[in-house]
Formats: sequence, C-alpha cells, structure tokens
Amino acid sequence: DVKVTQSSRYLVKRTGEKVFLECVQDMDHENMFWYRQDPGLGLRLIYFSYDVKMKEKGDIPEGYSVSREKKERFSLILESASTNQTSMYLCASSRQEKLFFGSGTQLSVL
Amino acid sequence: KQEVTQIPAALSVPEGENLVLNCSFTDSAIYNLQWFRQDPGKGLTSLLLIQSSQREQTSGRLNASLDKSSGRSTLYIAASQPGDSATYLCAPRGKLIFGQGTELSVKP
Repeated sequence: DVKVTQSSRYLVKRTGEKVFLECVQDMDHENMFWYRQDPGLGLRLIYFSYDVKMKEKGDIPEGYSVSREKKERFSLILESASTNQTSMYLCASSRQEKLFFGSGTQLSVL
Repeated sequence: KQEVTQIPAALSVPEGENLVLNCSFTDSAIYNLQWFRQDPGKGLTSLLLIQSSQREQTSGRLNASLDKSSGRSTLYIAASQPGDSATYLCAPRGKLIFGQGTELSVKP
C-alpha cells in the first residue's frame, strides 16, 4: 500500500515562529501537494511539485514556501506563523493521476 | 475557473438505505474524477477513480458514475452501514479543486 506520512499529527506554535511541516511518500511518486482544510472553505491548494527542486504555486501560497530536495520528501514552511494559519494541513502524492493523502497535521498558532 | 458543488451538504439516513451523493463541476475539460471519504480529523482515503473515457466505476457497495458533458458525477452507496458515516468529497482533475463534501450519517 502507498504510504504518505506526515511527521506530526498535532502541532502548537507561537505567532512569529518558523514552522516546518514534513511529508514523506514511499512509492517514488513524482507529484506531491500541500493543501489546507478549513471549515466552510474546504480543501485549498497551497503548493505542488512535479519533480525534485521544482515547485508551483497553488491557489493560496501567500505566507508559505516549500522545499523538495529529494523525491520522497516535500516540506511546507511557514516563515513567520500567524494565527490565520491555524488549520488542518494535508499532504498528498500522486501516481497515474490517483491522489493519496497523509493523515494530516492539525496546526494551532497561538 | 473550475467550481465544484456537492449536494446535499449533509445527509442522515437509517441503516440499510441506498443513497446517492451528487457532485457537479463547471469545467468539463477534466481527465478524471476521484471520490474520497474523510473521517473526522483524519486525512482523505481514495474510494474510486473514474477516467474521463469511462462512465462508471464500482468497488463493493460503491458505484460512481461520470457524465462529463453535463458536468456531473454521482456516488451510489448500497445498503448503507453505520461505518459509512464520514464526509465524502469529489475532485474532478484538471485543476486540483475539491468539492466541500457531503457529510453522511448512517443511524443504526
């Protein structure tokens, strides 16, 4: 079975902190994605990557950056966390157009 | 811009009922459509993937149909069970846009 692993299930950070969310997939997928999910707004795409060292902005990239140094790992970075970035963050990877999701990281910024 | 609507937003049914969840999308230039379920506080689990050239896909008690020309997909769940309680989301693929989901509750 495909496994997409997000490093933290729950995370609490302070405003202004630099936050790293890590995602690792074990099936050699080229494509990886970061979404955030908020009540009433659904899933929104933050960034995605089609290859190592390659990144593309999604619909809401402001306040975020990403890093993909290795094929299996896609990191989401909050340069200076703010309270409006409190959300559920979901990582996904895809093969043959089928998306596989991690279990999510619930981030609270206080 | 692709817009995805799922109706109803919430549904409560007694165990054993057959039910249909609806997904409509505005841009028919898609290459597939995927249905997911999400349990509270968890990630998304893939249920079915329909390629644009297909009309339907089946897996166990689930059947998904796709009508690209009308911008619609349905997810049919037969003989619903309490374990089917979850939020169901559709994602037509071209642009990576998701519907907001249908929250299903199956009462014993």
